[in-house]
Amino acid sequence: DAGITQSPRHKVTETGTPVTLRCHQTENHRYMYWYRQDPGHGLRLIHYSYGVKDTDKGEVSDGYSVSRSKTEDFLLTLESATSSQTSVYFCAISVQGRPNEQFFGPGTRLTVL
Amino acid sequence: AQSVTQLGSHVSVSEGALVLLRCNYSSSVPPYLFWYVQYPNQGLQLLLKYTTGATLVKGINGFEAEFKKSETSFHLTKPSAHMSDAAEYFCAVSLFGNEKLTFGTGTRLTIIP
Repeated sequence: DAGITQSPRHKVTETGTPVTLRCHQTENHRYMYWYRQDPGHGLRLIHYSYGVKDTDKGEVSDGYSVSRSKTEDFLLTLESATSSQTSVYFCAISVQGRPNEQFFGPGTRLTVL
Repeated sequence: AQSVTQLGSHVSVSEGALVLLRCNYSSSVPPYLFWYVQYPNQGLQLLLKYTTGATLVKGINGFEAEFKKSETSFHLTKPSAHMSDAAEYFCAVSLFGNEKLTFGTGTRLTIIP
C-alpha cells in the first residue's frame, strides 16, 4: 500500500459542468499519474507530474487539465464534462528506487449524463 | 515508441488447469515489462516485473512470466488455476529512464469450477 487515496470514489455529473478529481499520497513520491480505464482500451495515460508545478500530457489529454501545487496532491480537472469522459479514473505513483514500477489508487468512477 | 498487444480479451480455464495469458511487446530498446492484476472494483496490483537479469520472473500468487527477446513476448503463466485468480490482467511496457507505462488492453480471466 503506497498510501494513495482518491476522492470522490464515485461521482455523477451533467454534461457541461466542471469536475475535479483529487489524488493524495502520503509518502512524498515525485512522480504521479492520471489514467482512465475504458473497456477495450485498457489504461490510457491522461497527464503525469514529475514534481510540484511540473506536469506533462499523456496520450489522451484533450479535455483534461491537471495541477500539482503540493507534492502530495495531484488534481485532475474536466473543465466541461462530456459523456465521452464517463470512465473510471485511476491515480498512480512511482516509487524512487523501483524504476518504472507504479502503484495505483482505488479509482474514481465518473458518470457524465 | 513502445506498445503492448495482449492476445485474447477473455480467457477461460478450468480450476486446476494451466493459466496462459499472452503478451507481445514492441520496443526499439530493451524494455521493462510488467504484469498487473485488477480484481473487481479495485485498483491495479503489481504481479511481477522484468527489468534486467534472469528472464524467468516469479511473482505473487504463484504466477510467473518469461521474457523472450527473440519472440518479443512476456507471457504470464500459472501451473494450476484457482478460483481466486479470476480477475483482469494487464501487461505493460516501459523503457529505462522513462517513467511512463504503456498498457495492453487487458485479458479477463474466468475460472470454471
